[in-house]
Amino acid sequence: GQQVMQIPQYQHVQEGEDFTTYCNSSTTLSNIQWYKQRPGGHPVFLIQLVKSGEVKKQKRLTFQFGEAKKNSSLHITATQTTDVGTYFCADHNNAGNMLTFGGGTRLMVKP
Amino acid sequence: DVKVTQSSRYLVKRTGEKVFLECVQDMDHENMFWYRQDPGLGLRLIYFSYDVKMKEKGDIPEGYSVSREKKERFSLILESASTNQTSMYLCASSLSEYEQYFGPGTRLTVT
Repeated sequence: GQQVMQIPQYQHVQEGEDFTTYCNSSTTLSNIQWYKQRPGGHPVFLIQLVKSGEVKKQKRLTFQFGEAKKNSSLHITATQTTDVGTYFCADHNNAGNMLTFGGGTRLMVKP
Repeated sequence: DVKVTQSSRYLVKRTGEKVFLECVQDMDHENMFWYRQDPGLGLRLIYFSYDVKMKEKGDIPEGYSVSREKKERFSLILESASTNQTSMYLCASSLSEYEQYFGPGTRLTVT
């Protein structure tokens, strides 16, 4: 079935450093959703990208969808300890009702 | 706010027991999902339901069944629990192709 690969699996950064997680697929992605899961919590929706080349920003977070719709990235500028958690990308199936999740990137921020 | 609740946060069962995990959502969402989350494997879809009494298998349905008798409630059943079903189980609901709302999760330990 469809596979969504996410890298890196883990990332340690010093507070104030930037962070990027990448989501890749060998097939064209339908649309991409990004979720954040805090330690001990559940995934919470961040954003959805639909169009080729789309870029969306939420404060210090920048989300991009590749031109060929085969990859996506989430970039956090100047990380803070509140950014700690696991970030997941997920792709919709063609019917639009099921998500395939990437393995997630666990971000740890040293104060 | 959408609320998705799960019947237990923590559950300990013995091998061979029948286990019921229940999920309730209060936003009239047509889609409901059951995932399991294991370290390094991300979220894997077990089953989902797009309407009352309707269900579809996800990526890892073996050893599980589901029931959706009412729109707001989606149950996951482990007919005969095994140790390899020890995991975090997450329920989610959504409207069509929009974001999924997750419950707090049930950490199931099978001994």
